[in-house]
Amino acid sequence: NAGVTQTPKFRVLKTGQSMTLLCAQDMNHEYMYWYRQDPGMGLRLIHYSVGEGTTAKGEVPDGYNVSRLKKQNFLLGLESAAPSQTSVYFCASSPGSGLQGPQHFGDGTRLSIL
Amino acid sequence: QKEVEQDPGPLSVPEGAIVSLNCTYSNSAFQYFMWYRQYSRKGPELLMYTYSSGNKEDGRFTAQVDKSSKYISLFIRDSQPSDSATYLCAMSASRGSTLGRLYFGRGTQLTVWP
Repeated sequence: NAGVTQTPKFRVLKTGQSMTLLCAQDMNHEYMYWYRQDPGMGLRLIHYSVGEGTTAKGEVPDGYNVSRLKKQNFLLGLESAAPSQTSVYFCASSPGSGLQGPQHFGDGTRLSIL
Repeated sequence: QKEVEQDPGPLSVPEGAIVSLNCTYSNSAFQYFMWYRQYSRKGPELLMYTYSSGNKEDGRFTAQVDKSSKYISLFIRDSQPSDSATYLCAMSASRGSTLGRLYFGRGTQLTVWP
């Protein structure tokens, strides 16, 4: 039972490069989320999706795009990487909201932008 | 002002101590309250989940919610070195446009020394 799997686990990019982070869940969850975690800032929501084909902006969406073409996958793209995007990125999923709301997290992708 | 406030610590206690972790919040629409535990270089894992006011106990862990004071607590009895981690509170609303979205505290770093 894999749960939420994130790839890659580590990546170093140069400023201006683009990349895509992949999140896959095998729990048939409807909702999926992308967060970034920075020291002293806690978890901040970047984008989220409440179902296949839908996406919505979170708290810090600038510089990121997402896609949810398949229910089990949620992709996070960095269009033109900047040093301010150096962070640990977490993906999460949940069955729904309210009583179904607790989110299950992956183990993160550590991204450094030089 | 952040919607969820949590003292980041760090908190250092001897093995066997009772640990009290707390969060305050400002949004009266929050109805679902969670505590996550995050070990170093891992994703957050759900520890406790409560709905509305009251207490919930699970082994050595007790979660309390006081909606009138907008204050939630997590108590750890007989703390162990394996409890050393960062503890994050999280909460979500039961209605409105924020339905499904979790709001996190910044996390409290706990060390339990033998």
